[in-house]
Amino acid sequence: AQTVTQSQPEMSVQEAETVTLSCTYDTSESDYYLFWYKQPPSRQMILVIRQEAYKQQNATENRFSVNFQKAAKSFSLKISDSQLGDAAMYFCAYEGNLIFGKGTKLSVKP
Amino acid sequence: DTAVSQTPKYLVTQMGNDKSIKCEQNLGHDTMYWYKQDSKKFLKIMFSYNNKELIINETVPNRFSPKSPDKAHLNLHINSLELGDSAVYFCASSRRLQGGTNEKLFFGSGTQLSVL
Repeated sequence: AQTVTQSQPEMSVQEAETVTLSCTYDTSESDYYLFWYKQPPSRQMILVIRQEAYKQQNATENRFSVNFQKAAKSFSLKISDSQLGDAAMYFCAYEGNLIFGKGTKLSVKP
Repeated sequence: DTAVSQTPKYLVTQMGNDKSIKCEQNLGHDTMYWYKQDSKKFLKIMFSYNNKELIINETVPNRFSPKSPDKAHLNLHINSLELGDSAVYFCASSRRLQGGTNEKLFFGSGTQLSVL
């Protein structure tokens, strides 16, 4: 069965610094999608970034980028120049959005 | 214009009651979902419909029954509510891609259900 593991329940970063959230997954598939979603205190779930497994190039969206290591089944999210508005729960999700990690709560210190 | 709207946002009810949560999407998506987020923020899929057809039905008590009158709507009805049903329920939709996989999710704003 496919699984998604986020091993960091909580992380903290200083404003303007960089932070990396980790995510590992397990699958026997060769082609799939991976996602990072953000859930701020408002509760709204928002897509941050998406990676297609067949693409070698790591996805990037402004200050957000991923380090996708397919062989290692690792999909970490890097947030550069952290802002106060980045404080939220971050969820890693696998294939078809069926399987979510347990989330990482990110705090941003001013 | 809200892409995925679910109502109500808050629902407080007594044990044993029956309640419904409604969801509508105006994105033209083929696939809709219900997720449950528990008090520890764990997000778990409950159901998924594709073009009104149930395609995913995870291990969920029979008291939960989804209904999709058309592909833009997916409602969730819960019978005989229990304390453990207290959670935030999210509706979502996505476009279905070739090969059967799904595009990114668009979420509703969630329904906070509190069972007393």
